[in-house]
This record gives sequence, structure tokens and C-alpha cells, in this order.
Amino acid sequence: QSVLTQSPSASGTPGQRVTISCSGSYSNIGSHTVNWYQHRPGTAPKLLIYNDNQWPSGVPDRFSASKSGTSASLAISGLQSEDEADYYCAAWDDSLNGPVFGGGTKLTVL
Amino acid sequence: EVQLVQSGAEVKKSGESLHISCATSGYKFTSYWIGWVRQMSGKGLEWMGIIYPGDSNTRYSPSFQGQVTMSVDKSINTASLQWNSLKASDTAIYYCAKVGPGTGYYFDYWGQGTLVTVSS
Repeated sequence: QSVLTQSPSASGTPGQRVTISCSGSYSNIGSHTVNWYQHRPGTAPKLLIYNDNQWPSGVPDRFSASKSGTSASLAISGLQSEDEADYYCAAWDDSLNGPVFGGGTKLTVL
Repeated sequence: EVQLVQSGAEVKKSGESLHISCATSGYKFTSYWIGWVRQMSGKGLEWMGIIYPGDSNTRYSPSFQGQVTMSVDKSINTASLQWNSLKASDTAIYYCAKVGPGTGYYFDYWGQGTLVTVSS
């Protein structure tokens, strides 16, 4: 069982906006920044958002993220078929003294 | 361009040893931590540990301490992950990833993964 909790699945149609949530605790999300990764099976995971809401170069601003207390969320607007992937949240955890990941949310574009 | 290129898939038997590698390019290898992440079939990502190539300082997740060994070869900008005695439960995809610059702790570049299959 993952330390950070994500819904196992989400879906939307092209053009829609979808939100993926991530729940943690004070020792991780409540005290440290959150990062989001996109992972298409068979490929290298890709950093999508870092330090709560920063975009790496090349990531479109259709992807945005926010955090409140011990929860965080990733929003994808203008959904595209290429967005179909697994999405993971992650944050440093003081108990582990290392990063912890969510269990991943499989996004399906209908 | 930053690249992390991992060694190919491995099929091993329980009790055998294994060494997988992560060849890096496009940045100063000795200046950034490298992490290893496991993904078991149908499961999420698990942090295994990190190593600083500059001085080989390592930090292991408690779940992997004593189970694997991380190392680097600065002469070829390559990080490695080693098992002395594999178990069937080590069957998974293993990713190396570079820790990003600045504050916070995030992996900004990842390898393509190495599938390790261990039969009992």
C-alpha cells in the first residue's frame, strides 16, 4: 500500500478537464513540496510538475497542480489522447527520510 | 541533452547475482544525486535509494537496505545497482533517475527502465 493515496483511475473525453487527487499526511505533503510524474507503460517516466506547481521545460501549461494542507491535485485541461497514461504524485517523507509515491492514477481518454 | 540509458532486460534464477547499469550523458555526472526506483508488475513506484556520484555517498530506503548495493563509476558516468542473491520477489522494472537541481526533491530525468525477471 502506497504512502500517498490516489484514485486508481480517472477518465475524460478529448477537450475536457480532469483532476487527479493525491492525499498524504503531515510528514510528507503537509511539510514538503509535491511532484507529479506521467508514465506511459514501456517508456521512461516523465516529470510533469515539480515543487508543487512548477513546470519543467517543454511541459504544456494544460497541466497544472495545486496543494492544500496534506492533499494535492493535478489538473489536465484540454484533454488529448496522448495524455492517456499513469500519473503519480510524490513528496519527500520525513518518516522514510526519502521520497514516497502515490499508487498511481490510470487516466483513460475516452 | 540529458540522457539516462539503462542496460537491457535480464532473466535470472533465484540465488544468482546481478548488476544493472545506468549510463548518463548531457550533464555533470558528479554534481547530481541519482536515484533508483522499483516498479513491480501492476504496482506503483517505490523509492529504493539514492547515490551521490561525487563521493559515492548513499542513502537506502529501509525496505532495500542490505538487499541491494548502489555504486557509480565516475570514469564512465554510470550508476549501477547490484544484487548478490536474487529472489523471485525481485522481479520488477528498475528505473534510475537523476535528482533535479535546486530545492525540493524530484527526479527530472529518468532511464527507460530495466526489466528483471527472477525465476525460483
